[in-house]
Amino acid sequence: AQSVTQPDIHITVSEGASLELRCNYSYGATPYLFWYVQSPGQGLQLLLKYFSGDTLVQGIKGFEAEFKRSQSSFNLRKPSVHWSDAAEYFCAVGADGGSQGNLIFGKGTKLSVKP
Amino acid sequence: KAGVTQTPRYLIKTRGQQVTLSCSPISGHRSVSWYQQTPGQGLQFLFEYFSETQRNKGNFPGRFSGRQFSNSRSEMNVSTLELGDSALYLCASNPGLAGYNEQFFGPGTRLTVL
Repeated sequence: AQSVTQPDIHITVSEGASLELRCNYSYGATPYLFWYVQSPGQGLQLLLKYFSGDTLVQGIKGFEAEFKRSQSSFNLRKPSVHWSDAAEYFCAVGADGGSQGNLIFGKGTKLSVKP
Repeated sequence: KAGVTQTPRYLIKTRGQQVTLSCSPISGHRSVSWYQQTPGQGLQFLFEYFSETQRNKGNFPGRFSGRQFSNSRSEMNVSTLELGDSALYLCASNPGLAGYNEQFFGPGTRLTVL
């Protein structure tokens, strides 16, 4: 069965510092991979997605992620974090053989930003 | 285009009651999915509807049901509420085109069961 692991429950970084959030997935074929962000009391906003092609994908708000098949990873990065990036981040994979609407999510990583 | 809307935004019910949540997808989107989000279990897929038909279902008891109308609006119903049903229920829509489409999420309905 497909699964997504986000090893870090909570990360704190200083404003201006770089950020990397880890995501590992378990999937039999080429996965559809996503990163979402959720601010308190809000729904999910898509940061970026990987369907195929270039393994380095650019997203909104200055985020990027790299798909590494050999490591089954899809880590999210940002070179310089802003205070407004404080939120919870979710990695997700499109379920195998399922419909488009079935995403499997990791448990999330909460990001805190120190001034 | 207006985004995905969910009503109500907040709801308080007592154990044993039933509840209906509503989701209006983005105009033109034919697929609607529902997710439950809790601190313990995280985000879990409930079901997906496409053109008024349930296309996929997650691992939830039969107390959780849904439907989709001809205008793509969707409702989910939870009967005989339990304390553990307290959660944020998120609805997402996508165009339902061939290939893989981006999911657009609504703000959610916060259900509290007392």
